[in-house]
Amino acid sequence: EVQLVESGGGMEKPGGSLRLSCAASGLTFRNAWMSWVRQAPGKGLEWVGRIRSKTDGGTTDYAAPMKGRFTISRDDSRNTVFLQVNSLKTEDTGAYFCTTVGYKYGFGSFDFWGQGILVTVSS
Amino acid sequence: QSVLTQPPSASGTPGQRVIITCSGSRSNIGSDYVYWYQHLPGTAPKLLIYRDNERPSGVPDRFSASKSGTSASLAISGLRSEDEADYYCAAWDGSLSGVFGGGTKLTVL
Repeated sequence: EVQLVESGGGMEKPGGSLRLSCAASGLTFRNAWMSWVRQAPGKGLEWVGRIRSKTDGGTTDYAAPMKGRFTISRDDSRNTVFLQVNSLKTEDTGAYFCTTVGYKYGFGSFDFWGQGILVTVSS
Repeated sequence: QSVLTQPPSASGTPGQRVIITCSGSRSNIGSDYVYWYQHLPGTAPKLLIYRDNERPSGVPDRFSASKSGTSASLAISGLRSEDEADYYCAAWDGSLSGVFGGGTKLTVL
């Protein structure tokens, strides 16, 4: 059974930084493309970005509003994907979900999800 | 403003059939697959439909989907109280950027 567990959330001040982690189990992580999706309070799901497997280049893509402040990385030795967010803004507040991308159900699907981790950016 | 457009709400009574629509453009729905997700607030979203109309294992066949041109739809038949949730369509825009619809809140009356 694929399990994704996010950690690293909490309260941060505007202008600060945070790094979220997502520990994966039940899958061959090195083969998995991974993604982050967020949800602001009372809003819908918003795609943040994705990272390819190292076999497929290990490169990243980001949603246009996320470029520059958001960085996704991975450590295959720890079966973990990270999301670094710099220059935090209050509008970064929300739940952040880690997902697999097309691991089992078709290239492009967010097929397995973590429970999400809450981030609050407030002074 | 979401790239994909969904109605903000939908409703039905138990046993009814409900359809949720999703409108996009040639660069997303018109050129790539559509995916549908079910999200109960406070839980992990769940993949409901992939590759336009395929169901992952464990998803009841009460859930079906279709696509035509730059629009897609999700149909839920034999509506049940546990279907009350938020439903999102998604696609890839230009193959590099994931995009979601704004979500449709389904109420079972």
